Formats: sequence, C-alpha cells, structure tokens
Amino acid sequence: DTAVSQTPKYLVTQMGNDKSIKCEQNLGHDTMYWYKQDSKKFLKIMFSYNNKELIINETVPNRFSPKSPDKAHLNLHINSLELGDSAVYFCASSDRGQTEAFFGQGTRLTVV
Amino acid sequence: KQEVTQIPAALSVPEGENLVLNCSFTDSAIYNLQWFRQDPGKGLTSLLLIQSSQREQTSGRLNASLDKSSGRSTLYIAASQPGDSATYLCAVRPTDSWGKLQFGAGTQVVVTP
Repeated sequence: DTAVSQTPKYLVTQMGNDKSIKCEQNLGHDTMYWYKQDSKKFLKIMFSYNNKELIINETVPNRFSPKSPDKAHLNLHINSLELGDSAVYFCASSDRGQTEAFFGQGTRLTVV
Repeated sequence: KQEVTQIPAALSVPEGENLVLNCSFTDSAIYNLQWFRQDPGKGLTSLLLIQSSQREQTSGRLNASLDKSSGRSTLYIAASQPGDSATYLCAVRPTDSWGKLQFGAGTQVVVTP
C-alpha cells in the first residue's frame, strides 16, 4: 500500500500547455510538500501545505499553483509550460515537527 | 542560510568494502537529519532519520552518525553489495523551516561485483 503516490509518473507536453500533477498520502500526516529536482539532480522545495494552508512558497513563478483540497491531497497545476519547467517533481509528506519525511516516486515532466 | 554539502560526489568500490558517505551543513539549528537513497528514475527511499538530540542511528548494515555542533553526519554501509549502487542524499530540517528539507547534491555510489 503506497504511502505517498503521485500521478502521472511521466508527462510529456508542448510548450504553452497547462498540466496538473496529483499527490495523495495515506500516512495521516498534516503537511505535504512539492519539491523540484533539476537536471543536475538537486532537490529544492517549492511549496508546503499544513492542514490545507499554504505555509511555504519559495521563489516559484506564479504559473505554478498548488492546491490542497484536504490534508491528504496536494495537487500542482502549471500554466503556460516552458522548456525550463522540464524536471522531476516530487511530492512528500511529514508531520511538521520532527518526524520522517516520505516521498512519492516522482513525476518526470518533459516540455517540448 | 543553511547549506548542505556531500563529499564525495561519486564513489566506486568493490563488493564487500565498507562505504563511508559524508554530509556537512553550515547551520546547527536543525530538528533532524535524514538520509535517503535514490535509484535511477525512481523516488526517494528514506534510510535513516537522526533527531538533533541523537548521536547515531542504525538499521541493518547502515549506521548514521550526527555531530550537530560541527555540522557533520556520516553514513556507513557495511559490507557493500552491488544492490547498494544508487545515489545517497542527506537532508537537514532547519528549526525555522516549517518542516521543509534542505538537501545536499548527493553521492553517487557504484559497487562493482
């Protein structure tokens, strides 16, 4: 039973399109995150939601809009996709204190 | 600003040899440090979590130490196997971070049969 699952696993799309990535966790955690792993494999935080409230919004273009319908789900919508958005996007969850973070398997986004 | 560095960037060892992976961080104000493993094209698998009050954690052949005052953690993998080949990432959770993790760039490990 997958703890953090995200869909789709692969996404190939043309520049200018709008796409969404979905994430769900069944761990009962109160905080969910989106991370971006660039071509150099470096992972960086994008957003974090705690109990459906946005608490971290790093310097990310406003074409990226996260949405959390409930504390078990965090989706990422990207408008007007650009070539530079190509990366692997990871969803993660934890409790906001000192607990272990768990990651999904990633969504490889390729913009052509 | 917290910075996390992993040295070496890549490591190749023969099977059976012990692996030593290093992670350093610049700000000791952390809740915990977590080691992950990432296989090519796959997600991150959590290996060990060390709380800031702990000195080490062990799981099977893996042992991780933490020296918060000097900003260092070391992951030891005993008797390496080809299946240990992967990229190993360390991440710290700063105390003012609202739970986000600050990652190092990773160490790519190859264990040759």
